[in-house]
Amino acid sequence: DAGITQSPRHKVTETGTPVTLRCHQTENHRYMYWYRQDPGHGLRLIHYSYGVKDTDKGEVSDGYSVSRSKTEDFLLTLESATSSQTSVYFCAISADTEAFFGQGTRLTVV
Amino acid sequence: GESVGLHLPTLSVQEGDNSIINCAYSNSASDYFIWYKQESGKGPQFIIDIRSNMDKRQGQRVTVLLNKTVKHLSLQIAATQPGDSAVYFCAEKGAAGNKLTFGGGTRVLVKP
Repeated sequence: DAGITQSPRHKVTETGTPVTLRCHQTENHRYMYWYRQDPGHGLRLIHYSYGVKDTDKGEVSDGYSVSRSKTEDFLLTLESATSSQTSVYFCAISADTEAFFGQGTRLTVV
Repeated sequence: GESVGLHLPTLSVQEGDNSIINCAYSNSASDYFIWYKQESGKGPQFIIDIRSNMDKRQGQRVTVLLNKTVKHLSLQIAATQPGDSAVYFCAEKGAAGNKLTFGGGTRVLVKP
């Protein structure tokens, strides 16, 4: 799937713990995105990156941070997981036009 | 697994008929638009795109129409097939920073 790998694919974690999701690409695309998807809300942008060390907030960034220390990796961290962050998380990459998506990470916070 | 399409508007269409899916976008500065298809348990897949300097673009069995005056986008699927059953999203991208934001989505159900 367009050289994107999300890890882990599934995770269950406890409230209050930090969690990091990884997105890895082999396409050398400049732009990378993190979305969450919940029933009735479609895909909501959390954070995105337009280059190494260049990131910006999306519409639902509270409680999340990101880092991009190299082109191929974009990490999403939940600083202290809450039950409201139970969701499916998608990473996407883009050169300039269309974005390609990973398979998603299902995160459950208990 | 839980369906992300549970609370989305649904379009039911007879197999072989044409489908039209509509989307209103919010940012008049957006200059690039994309339609995605998402099947259950998978990530969104690119269908077709259009730039703001165009008002129509055709692909294989799909056509996208853009009306910038009313900030409206539509996706037409010709001769809808059972494999077209999915959730469809429109997305818009602004000129600054390539920020890509999505509309709410529409579930398409194809009846045999």
